[in-house]
Amino acid sequence: GAVVSQHPSRVICKSGTSVKIECRSLDFQATTMFWYRQFPKKSLMLMATSNEGSKATYEQGVEKDKFLINHASLTLSTLTVTSAHPEDSSFYICSARTQNTEAFFGQGTRLTVV
Amino acid sequence: QQQVKQSPQSLIVQKGGISIINCAYENTAFDYFPWYQQFPGKGPALLIAIRPDVSEKKEGRFTISFNKSAKQFSLHIMDSQPGDSATYFCAAAGDFGNEKLTFGTGTRLTIIP
Repeated sequence: GAVVSQHPSRVICKSGTSVKIECRSLDFQATTMFWYRQFPKKSLMLMATSNEGSKATYEQGVEKDKFLINHASLTLSTLTVTSAHPEDSSFYICSARTQNTEAFFGQGTRLTVV
Repeated sequence: QQQVKQSPQSLIVQKGGISIINCAYENTAFDYFPWYQQFPGKGPALLIAIRPDVSEKKEGRFTISFNKSAKQFSLHIMDSQPGDSATYFCAAAGDFGNEKLTFGTGTRLTIIP
């Protein structure tokens, strides 16, 4: 299947700082990328959907000013957690797809805010 | 109406046995039903998916059974192996998967020797 690479796989940051997570589709052009958050032993919670070149659509309850999403090209989307706090610690996962294809998931990023 | 209910929450099966996980949905607009496998610390990986024009789909040891009238679908893992121990998520989406996925709550499967 197609490859979606997420970087970094783990990151520790200090409270109050910002951290950027990258999601790349390595062998296909992703017209749509999704960002999820997953708490321990829980399901995936969709945070936002982004289409290349347009603003992301955020799910209800997700702060768009805190979780900045940029989908600047057909192979790259970034999620920036601004002014991170310990409650933002979580497992963040991206997925990418083109029209009429399955969604491929990245390997996830474990964010720990100390 | 957007929920996908998944059961059981956890499942222990002996090696060589059949693992069965069930999901139910309410939204009749859903027309794409994938199953994902997730290992600890990793992203989900697509196992198998079905569309409502068929009642069953088999790929190797994995089979999806789909009951459109009951709005239920299930994953059967035949000859379960210790390497199958993982968390499994069902999901559903509309527009043949072009809409966002709605995930079930997950089933932690443990295969014991």
